[in-house]
Amino acid sequence: EAGVTQFPSHSVIEKGQTVTLRCDPISGHDNLYWYRRVMGKEIKFLLHFVKESKQDESGMPNNRFLAERTGGTYSTLKVQPAELEDSGVYFCASSQVPRGEQYFGPGTRLTVT
Amino acid sequence: QKEVEQNSGPLSVPEGAIASLNCTYSDRVSQSFFWYRQYSGKSPELIMSIYSNGDKEDGRFTAQLNKASQYVSLLIRDSQPSDSATYLCAVKESNQFYFGTGTSLTVIP
Repeated sequence: EAGVTQFPSHSVIEKGQTVTLRCDPISGHDNLYWYRRVMGKEIKFLLHFVKESKQDESGMPNNRFLAERTGGTYSTLKVQPAELEDSGVYFCASSQVPRGEQYFGPGTRLTVT
Repeated sequence: QKEVEQNSGPLSVPEGAIASLNCTYSDRVSQSFFWYRQYSGKSPELIMSIYSNGDKEDGRFTAQLNKASQYVSLLIRDSQPSDSATYLCAVKESNQFYFGTGTSLTVIP
């Protein structure tokens, strides 16, 4: 069974540019989560999808971040315009049921210069 | 702000010894607890989950949960060099996971 995949693995952009991260969850997993880890800090929750609906987006830092999950399959996270403090590793995770264990993707390392 | 606290380490143990990793959390309503292992530059990998007080064993790993003390631990028996990694404690409340910063473990051959 394929795991959670993320693309790209690494992105370097300039401040003010736009970047879109993609996550493909494990097939059949309705729950999809986005997390971010800033260097030296803990992994922090950004938002949670159940199928195509946003269940909880309380962790989204501000309105420069937009997440979508059209059709309830893969998800995208767009940062527009990117700021220096957006640099970090963005992880996606999926689970089969809300109580269930989450399985993480390899992450996208975003560097904003 | 919900908090999950872990000693950052590094924790070093000799090969074959027991490694003990500890985690405390601030929110009494938390119900689900997880341990993840993360190798450098890789994604967190789920190794244990525990939902009720007591011990849960899976191979060389034992998770221990004490909700009254708001404490969860992970024991690794017969530690191997391949166990060297950062171990993340995660606490789930509602649909959100709260992570600690991780404990770095080094198993010395």
